[in-house]
Parts: sequence; structure tokens; C-alpha cells
Amino acid sequence: QKEVEQNSGPLSVPEGAIASLNCTYSDRGSQSFFWYRQYSGKSPELIMFIYSNGDKEDGRFTAQLNKASQYVSLLIRDSQPSDSATYLCAADIIQGAQKLVFGQGTRLTINP
Amino acid sequence: DVKVTQSSRYLVKRTGEKVFLECVQDMDHENMFWYRQDPGLGLRLIYFSYDVKMKEKGDIPEGYSVSREKKERFSLILESASTNQTSMYLCASSTGGIWEQYFGPGTRLTVT
Repeated sequence: QKEVEQNSGPLSVPEGAIASLNCTYSDRGSQSFFWYRQYSGKSPELIMFIYSNGDKEDGRFTAQLNKASQYVSLLIRDSQPSDSATYLCAADIIQGAQKLVFGQGTRLTINP
Repeated sequence: DVKVTQSSRYLVKRTGEKVFLECVQDMDHENMFWYRQDPGLGLRLIYFSYDVKMKEKGDIPEGYSVSREKKERFSLILESASTNQTSMYLCASSTGGIWEQYFGPGTRLTVT
């Protein structure tokens, strides 16, 4: 079982709609969760992080965490073509030393 | 802004060559990481370092070594490059815990 799992997509969403990206993790000890955006040919950039159960909002982005279900999601409201990218979910995992484990990423396309 | 730089954007090497990938960060971060990214496999951790002269193996350390002689610099070494090491290599750094990693632009290495 992969430690962090995402649907690889592609996920296609019309412009202006809400894009919903999902991620599950296997280690109940994970405390910190991150969403990175990666444009084609570029390196990942951090867009959101969440530590507590519930929702965290930042502009058009909302991260949601449910530790009981081991589930993290990212909602993008009023999707724009510039949101088209691969979104990587990451969780901290302690295996000897503390580190981040990344999901495979979900490719999102926003259609004008 | 955090700046993480990598010595080359593109590199072509021959099988059996020794390859050095350099990473420098300018924010006095304690932690530095080397990942490789391959289609369908996502980001995989090769090595990381919590301090000068410290190193920890990640998930796929075989065929690689690292060096951290100065806090700002973390080098990845391929002792004898092989074709299966053709990949995108990404360096990242973070302060304190392993949260909020900042990535460099990446080095696309091709081994022929």
C-alpha cells in the first residue's frame, strides 16, 4: 500500500467551477500535510499546508483534513486556466527520521 | 524569498561517469533534501541532511551518495552513472522541522 495516494487524473474542470483534489494517507502518526502545485517542466511550489482537522482557507484555495478518515483534500474555487497543473499531496512520516512522503500527483486541467 | 539553486538545468552524461549535482540555498536552512521525479512514480526521496556533515538515507539511496560540507550546500553524487538514473533531480530545503520544503528548479539528467 502506498503511503500517500492520489488519483492521477487527469481531472478536467470547466473554468469558474470548483476543482476538488483528494488524497489519502496510511500513517496515522502523520501530523502535517502539504499541497504543492507543479507546472509542466517546473519544480513544485508550496500552496497550502494544514495541521489541524477541519478547513483552512487561503484565497481561492481551501485545504480540508480529516484525520479519522486519513483524508486530505484541496478545493479550488472559481477555477482559472492558470490553475492547470499537477497537484502533489505530501504527508510527514516518521520512519527512523522524520520526512515528507509525496503522492504521485493529480493532473488538473481547467477548460476555458 | 527562499532561493534554492541547482548547478545545471540539463545534463547529459555517459554510462559509468561520476556525476556531481550541486544544490545551494540562501536562507540558512538546516534541512536539505534530494529527490528524483519520474513519470508515474512521483517524487522519491534519495537522501536528506539535517545538519552539516549529517546525512540520512531516503527511500532510494542505492547508486547515490551525498556530501554536506557547508550548511548552504548539498551535493548529490552518482558514483557510476547508469541509464536507469536518467531522471529529473530536485533539491529542496526547509528550516526547523521538515515542513514547508522549498524546491530548486531541478536538473534533468540524461545518462546515455
